[in-house]
Amino acid sequence: KNEVEQSPQNLTAQEGEFITINCSYSVGISALHWLQQHPGGGIVSLFMLSSGKKKHGRLIATINIQEKHSSLHITASHPRDSAVYICAVKVPPDKLIFGTGTRLQVFP
Amino acid sequence: EPEVTQTPSHQVTQMGQEVILRCVPISNHLYFYWYRQILGQKVEFLVSFYNNEISEKSEIFDDQFSVERPDGSNFTLKIRSTKLEDSAMYFCASSDTANYGYTFGSGTRLTVV
Repeated sequence: KNEVEQSPQNLTAQEGEFITINCSYSVGISALHWLQQHPGGGIVSLFMLSSGKKKHGRLIATINIQEKHSSLHITASHPRDSAVYICAVKVPPDKLIFGTGTRLQVFP
Repeated sequence: EPEVTQTPSHQVTQMGQEVILRCVPISNHLYFYWYRQILGQKVEFLVSFYNNEISEKSEIFDDQFSVERPDGSNFTLKIRSTKLEDSAMYFCASSDTANYGYTFGSGTRLTVV
């Protein structure tokens, strides 16, 4: 069983739709990261969470430590949001365990 | 915004050859990492490095792999004798504390033929 599970694996949306990507994990963590990977391969850090909720522009990330679950929401999605979104958990002493990613395509 | 710089962006090497992948972390960062992503698979941890020594390494990081911070600015990953299965995108990352976010480089695509 993977230590970090993401759903859905693939997601297609129309521009303007509200999008939710889910992440569940089965290990003890010190933080959870949401990352974005574009087709060229580069990885960009979106959020780091250890509790509660964070918002940056149209992106919102939440985490429930008790349920070992996090969600990434994108409001008013846009074609430029098309990318792979990856959940990764930080486990002691100091490494990230990655999920397999959610491939998002937003069509005009 | 500060960046983590990786060179080369793409390297092709013959099986059995040694390769060195180079990274310049953000200047005031203290924690350094290498990750890799085989095509179509998830990103995997290789090694973390702090205070001039390895803090943690994965099972993948066997005796063929080594890391070094030779001059206080570069952070290198060496693969001594490459295998076909070492073909992957290798990402360097750095962090200014163990509890802060990571900055990733844009990756080096290694192709072993």
